[in-house]
Amino acid sequence: QQQVKQSPQSLIVQKGGISIINCAYENTAFDYFPWYQQFPGKGPALLIAIRPDVSEKKEGRFTISFNKSAKQFSLHIMDSQPGDSATYFCAASSGSNYQLIWGAGTKLIIKP
Amino acid sequence: NAGVTQTPKFRILKIGQSMTLQCTQDMNHNYMYWYRQDPGMGLKLIYYSVGAGITDKGEVPNGYNVSRSTTEDFPLRLELAAPSQTSVYFCASSTGETQYFGPGTRLLVL
Repeated sequence: QQQVKQSPQSLIVQKGGISIINCAYENTAFDYFPWYQQFPGKGPALLIAIRPDVSEKKEGRFTISFNKSAKQFSLHIMDSQPGDSATYFCAASSGSNYQLIWGAGTKLIIKP
Repeated sequence: NAGVTQTPKFRILKIGQSMTLQCTQDMNHNYMYWYRQDPGMGLKLIYYSVGAGITDKGEVPNGYNVSRSTTEDFPLRLELAAPSQTSVYFCASSTGETQYFGPGTRLLVL
């Protein structure tokens, strides 16, 4: 029940296309859902996050869509660029100890 | 601000050897975390700390120990290295929900 399931494991998208990564969770106590971006040889860095009281959050080309009833959330990258090539992790947390439960990651490659 | 720093960047250990992975943050964050990252497995929490003098186990604590004597430092100790501990180790810190990660330590146990 503590798992966060992420798909796909890898994704190749043409430059200018839309990249979509999906995550699903079981624990209805989760109340914070971030996406982290990791470049090779670096630590993950927060990209965008959402709480369950909204269904969508947009920051530039990056959008989180959240479906509370389905217990799913997804990351959409519009007009994908080669510089977006990275590994993306979804995560979830609840309560006050700020522990994150992580998805397995998606390796995204944007082809020029 | 340097943020979160980790040393060493890379280390090869022989089975049974011990070592300490260092982690320091200069952001005065109360919360600190140690993760290991294995290919295709995401990030697994090893230990975390909510403040100086307070530590607790995460999902995969076996074979590791930590201490938190100051706000800034959170070292991770491997006592008897095993091949299963070959991984990339990340330290992170936070004041709340956003975690800030160091650059990682790549450890190879042979």
